[in-house]
Amino acid sequence: DADVTQTPRNRITKTGKRIMLECSQTKGHDRMYWYRQDPGLGLQLIYYSFDVKDINKGEISDGYSVSRQAQAKFSLSLESAIPNQTALYFCATSDTGLAGGAGELFFGEGSRLTVL
Amino acid sequence: QKEVEQDPGPLSVPEGAIVSLNCTYSNSAFQYFMWYRQYSRKGPELLMYTYSSGNKEDGRFTAQVDKSSKYISLFIRDSQPSDSATYLCATSLRAGSYQLTFGKGTKLSVIP
Repeated sequence: DADVTQTPRNRITKTGKRIMLECSQTKGHDRMYWYRQDPGLGLQLIYYSFDVKDINKGEISDGYSVSRQAQAKFSLSLESAIPNQTALYFCATSDTGLAGGAGELFFGEGSRLTVL
Repeated sequence: QKEVEQDPGPLSVPEGAIVSLNCTYSNSAFQYFMWYRQYSRKGPELLMYTYSSGNKEDGRFTAQVDKSSKYISLFIRDSQPSDSATYLCATSLRAGSYQLTFGKGTKLSVIP
């Protein structure tokens, strides 16, 4: 089983619908992230969480919300989806990196969202 | 100007070729430099990272950082079809930082 699991892997929805993307991890990491990947734009950070009670906005949080239900679960919601939110969404985890190093991110396999 | 610039390619090379992938960055405070590899329909995975300037070698892969020119390189020797993927460079300010700045990624195809 994958260490970072995202559901659904693919979703097609209509403008105005509420969508939730879910992420669960078995790596035991405290830090979890949601990224968006668009062709030509690379990876952009939407939200990040250092623990259940610590949730922070990333560089492109408008139109998104998140919930950290447990150390292992982090969900991303689009309250009212719009076509320019069509993208590939990745959940990632990392440890605290207190021992040094680059703070490696471990990514899930992605959730492809299409908003019509 | 984006903080990390990377030519998106695509780059197509014959099997066995030496591949050079490059990024430039603008923030001289960046200390850690990473290369992530992303296969089609998969999430990125860390390939290599280096701290400050210098080279780091791992098998057929060499990561190189020149902080004086703000230039990051990844060299792949004896490229294989299994190296076909998108390669993303990334930078961060300090160890264990949550805040990575990614390049757009370069799509590489190694033709048998």
